Amino acid sequence: AQSVTQLGSHVSVSEGALVLLRCNYSSSVPPYLFWYVQYPNQGLQLLLKYTSAATLVKGINGFEAEFKKSETSFHLTKPSAHMSDAAEYFCAVSDPDGSSGYALNFGKGTSLLVTP
Amino acid sequence: NAGVTQTPKFRILKIGQSMTLQCTQDMNHNYMYWYRQDPGMGLKLIYYSVGAGITDKGEVPNGYNVSRSTTEDFPLRLELAAPSQTSVYFCASSRLRGPADNSPLHFGNGTRLTVT
Repeated sequence: AQSVTQLGSHVSVSEGALVLLRCNYSSSVPPYLFWYVQYPNQGLQLLLKYTSAATLVKGINGFEAEFKKSETSFHLTKPSAHMSDAAEYFCAVSDPDGSSGYALNFGKGTSLLVTP
Repeated sequence: NAGVTQTPKFRILKIGQSMTLQCTQDMNHNYMYWYRQDPGMGLKLIYYSVGAGITDKGEVPNGYNVSRSTTEDFPLRLELAAPSQTSVYFCASSRLRGPADNSPLHFGNGTRLTVT
């Protein structure tokens, strides 16, 4: 089964600084990749998803992610952090062969703290 | 549209009690999923369904059961609650998926369950 690894369970940045959240996937074929955000006591919201049409994917709230096959990475970035970006971020992957009904396999999450 | 609705939001159970977590979606999605979320562990797939009358086990199915009699509803049953089932449970749905379709999952707001 496909899996993802998120490097860093906690990331702290200053307001206005670059946000970089790392995600590496394990796959020998092009996977389906997603980033989700979870605010406290809420469900998960889709930030962006990878389609084979473009390696640089733009999402909501100014986030984007770049698919790098050579590095098996799909890191999430945002040029300038806002206080409202503080949340838990999850990278996820699903098997294009349909195993587990195309369910998403999630990384363990990265908690983003934004300081004034 | 309401999206994915989960009830109840919170519940405390005693060891050995039973309960059903309700999940309903109004998007006519065929694919539905149950996940549990534990701190620092990401989300783990419990059960999934690819359509009415069809269900299958995910990564952590022990102690749970599901049914899917309609497209809209996908309840999760805990028969003999154990402390290890203390968790936050999320239901998700997605439209028809396939090898060339990476539709995202839509999540409910979760049920926070404590077993004591």
